[in-house]
Amino acid sequence: DGGITQSPKYLFRKEGQNVTLSCEQNLNHDAMYWYRQDPGQGLRLIYYSQIVNDFQKGDIAEGYSVSREKKESFPLTVTSAQKNPTAFYLCASRNLTGTGVNGYTFGSGTRLTVV
Amino acid sequence: QKEVEQNSGPLSVPEGAIASLNCTYSDRGSQSFFWYRQYSGKSPELIMSIYSNGDKEDGRFTAQLNKASQYVSLLIRDSQPSDSATYLCAVNMWDQAGTALIFGKGTTLSVSS
Repeated sequence: DGGITQSPKYLFRKEGQNVTLSCEQNLNHDAMYWYRQDPGQGLRLIYYSQIVNDFQKGDIAEGYSVSREKKESFPLTVTSAQKNPTAFYLCASRNLTGTGVNGYTFGSGTRLTVV
Repeated sequence: QKEVEQNSGPLSVPEGAIASLNCTYSDRGSQSFFWYRQYSGKSPELIMSIYSNGDKEDGRFTAQLNKASQYVSLLIRDSQPSDSATYLCAVNMWDQAGTALIFGKGTTLSVSS
């Protein structure tokens, strides 16, 4: 079955450490996105990529970095510069071809906790 | 500034009633609108999309769009306790770099049996 896989499901990080969240999709979708969700809040856009080797900053990109070396993969690195990284991170993808604008397919999320 | 506004709720309705969820957005040029349902601790799931002014019905769900008023709504008929969740409104917005969904903060719906 096609889908998006995020790993790990739960991640604990010490302050000052970088950590990378994995996102892989086998849907052949063009675009991939990273969002952050805090309790009681909506989803805020961190980074997105519409083609391989290209990505764009979202509303809250500071303290994060990404790469898009393959169409299937869009890993997110939370750096030590991110002041408050504890949150629920969601990866999404969608096709940009065809008529209309499609909704996203979401991964199951990674819950990051800084200890 | 790209913004999507929703009342956070909670919105409480009895079982069998109609639940009405509302959303406004800032970008007058937006053309695509989505409603997602999110259960606590889970990822959002798409329940409705709408692109044209008017109503779109799918089972117990009806999405309504008024582009002139920059307003989107979701009606849930015959509400069930299993509908209790947070409902996220999302609007596709463009900038110089590309296109992405901008989400509201969500409305929490509670359906009592």
